[in-house]
Amino acid sequence: DGGITQSPKYLFRKEGQNVTLSCEQNLNHDAMYWYRQDPGQGLRLIYYSQIVNDFQKGDIAEGYSVSREKKESFPLTVTSAQKNPTAFYLCASTGQGSFGSPLHFGNGTRLTVT
Amino acid sequence: GNSVTQMEGPVTLSEEAFLTINCTYTATGYPSLFWYVQYPGEGLQLLLKATKADDKGSNKGFEATYRKETTSFHLEKGSVQVSDSAVYFCALSEVTGGGADGLTFGKGTHLIIQP
Repeated sequence: DGGITQSPKYLFRKEGQNVTLSCEQNLNHDAMYWYRQDPGQGLRLIYYSQIVNDFQKGDIAEGYSVSREKKESFPLTVTSAQKNPTAFYLCASTGQGSFGSPLHFGNGTRLTVT
Repeated sequence: GNSVTQMEGPVTLSEEAFLTINCTYTATGYPSLFWYVQYPGEGLQLLLKATKADDKGSNKGFEATYRKETTSFHLEKGSVQVSDSAVYFCALSEVTGGGADGLTFGKGTHLIIQP
């Protein structure tokens, strides 16, 4: 079955360390997204990519970086510059140029930094 | 900019009660509207959508009608079940620059259904 796989489900890191969250999709979607979810704040867009080798900052990109070397993969790196990295991270994808097309989400990675 | 406002939770109902979760939006253009549901520890799943005024999205007994005149997309269900307990997100999408730049989400409404 097609879908989005995020790994790992839980991730623990020490403060000051960079950490990379994996996101892989086999839906043949062009566009991919990273959202951050915090209690009571809904979802906020970190980065998105509409095509391989291209990506744009979302609303809260500071302290994060991404790459899009393959259509299927859109890893997110949480750097030590991110002041409050503990959160639930969601990856999503959608078909390119499809107005009104919904996002498909992975099951998320819960990152805890101590 | 775009924004979505939904009623604060948690909303607690008894099984078989009627459900309404309010959602209003602000958009510069003519957006598509969505309701997503999130069960504990999981990602979001699309529940229903509507892409133009007066469209009614429906799925699993849930319904929502795109009301352009009131900029609203309220979620309703006639008789809720314990299994409907989850967090519900209203969202909108506008295509800019020829591609989809993601959804704008409300903060979510936590629904609790008691037996």
